[in-house]
Amino acid sequence: GAVVSQHPSWVICKSGTSVKIECRSLDFQATTMFWYRQFPKQSLMLMATSNEGSKATYEQGVEKDKFLINHASLTLSTLTVTSAHPEDSSFYICSAGLFYNEQFFGPGTRLTVL
Amino acid sequence: AQKVTQAQTEISVVEKEDVTLDCVYETRDTTYYLFWYKQPPSGELVFLIRRNSFDEQNEISGRYSWNFQKSTSSFNFTITASQVVDSAVYFCALSEARSSNTGKLIFGQGTTLQVKP
Repeated sequence: GAVVSQHPSWVICKSGTSVKIECRSLDFQATTMFWYRQFPKQSLMLMATSNEGSKATYEQGVEKDKFLINHASLTLSTLTVTSAHPEDSSFYICSAGLFYNEQFFGPGTRLTVL
Repeated sequence: AQKVTQAQTEISVVEKEDVTLDCVYETRDTTYYLFWYKQPPSGELVFLIRRNSFDEQNEISGRYSWNFQKSTSSFNFTITASQVVDSAVYFCALSEARSSNTGKLIFGQGTTLQVKP
């Protein structure tokens, strides 16, 4: 149990376009979902925390107008990178949380912006 | 503020050697959780262990063992008789404890372990 999927697993897009990444908890309802970004050879950095039905909480330095997060249901959160640029190229990982501080990670989405 | 430090950026060992990955954390919370994750080249994080701040017992799982010492704010991870398949990036992480929700994770910088045959 406790499987989290992400779609797509990789995406290549042109600069200026928007890209949507989906994160789904397949066999449980997640009260909270998290979005992380990981640049090559670096650690995971939390971008934002989203709770179902409410606005996401963004970490300092993360542009909320650029990285739109929607958590419309207890099993789905989406991250939209708007007007993507090459510097947004990264590995995006989501996680879904249950009570008592358990998080389950998705397999990640590799975004390349040309 | 919460912080996790993994001072070892890269470690290289020969197969069958034992290796310890260090993790030091900082937090003002009295209740918190510590984690270790493995990230192979595929990128997907693999959960290894979760330990709450009230449980200082060391844990052993096969070739893996963890040493949690609150006195030194450390949560070190040892792999015994390392194997090539252990080659990966290992992350230590800290989470605040939330009674009704899930706390966000603060990750260390990661330690790249290379096990040579």
